[in-house]
Amino acid sequence: NAGVMQNPRHLVRRRGQEARLRCSPMKGHSHVYWYRQLPEEGLKFMVYLQKENIIDESGMPKERFSAEFPKEGPSILRIQQVVRGDSAAYFCASSRDYSSYGYTFGSGTRLTVV
Amino acid sequence: AQTVTQSQPEMSVQEAETVTLSCTYDTSESDYYLFWYKQPPSRQMILVIRQEAYKQQNATENRFSVNFQKAAKSFSLKISDSQLGDAAMYFCAYRSANNYTGANSKLTFGKGITLSVRP
Repeated sequence: NAGVMQNPRHLVRRRGQEARLRCSPMKGHSHVYWYRQLPEEGLKFMVYLQKENIIDESGMPKERFSAEFPKEGPSILRIQQVVRGDSAAYFCASSRDYSSYGYTFGSGTRLTVV
Repeated sequence: AQTVTQSQPEMSVQEAETVTLSCTYDTSESDYYLFWYKQPPSRQMILVIRQEAYKQQNATENRFSVNFQKAAKSFSLKISDSQLGDAAMYFCAYRSANNYTGANSKLTFGKGITLSVRP
């Protein structure tokens, strides 16, 4: 029973390029959360999605960031025109439903913008 | 908005000894969940222990236990018989239980504390 799978584990992008981060939730989980961890900081909530729906995007920057969770396939966090300040670890977590308080986290994707 | 504060950036403990990690939070809600997560160098976020605010009894998981003081909004983690594998960053986190639509299901994390274990 595979856990939450994130890929790639490491991603290097030049300033101005696009970054695509993927998250496959645990089997049976249809709720996905994305968090960002800046150096020496805790995780900050970005967005919460169910299949084909964005439930809460209150933590998403207004520009350049978007997320989707299609009916088929992984959830994608997309960052357009990356800047140095986007360098961070991005974590995905999944749960069975919104009432579950037992999230399962992936191992994260470390994005480095050069 | 809820906030979680971990004021100690680093702590150190001798192997086999006991250590307590502090966490305070601020909320106007009466029903919520509190968590401690461990993040080793592998970056994987591992749930250590959780506490439901409506329960007065402190949660315990093997060598890990919490001291939950609801009135003081304090939630400390005690690690007994510390082991080398306990060395990691530890994060305290809060989640609302008022969650009829899912809009409040996000976790709010503290900044974390780095725990080192001396052999």
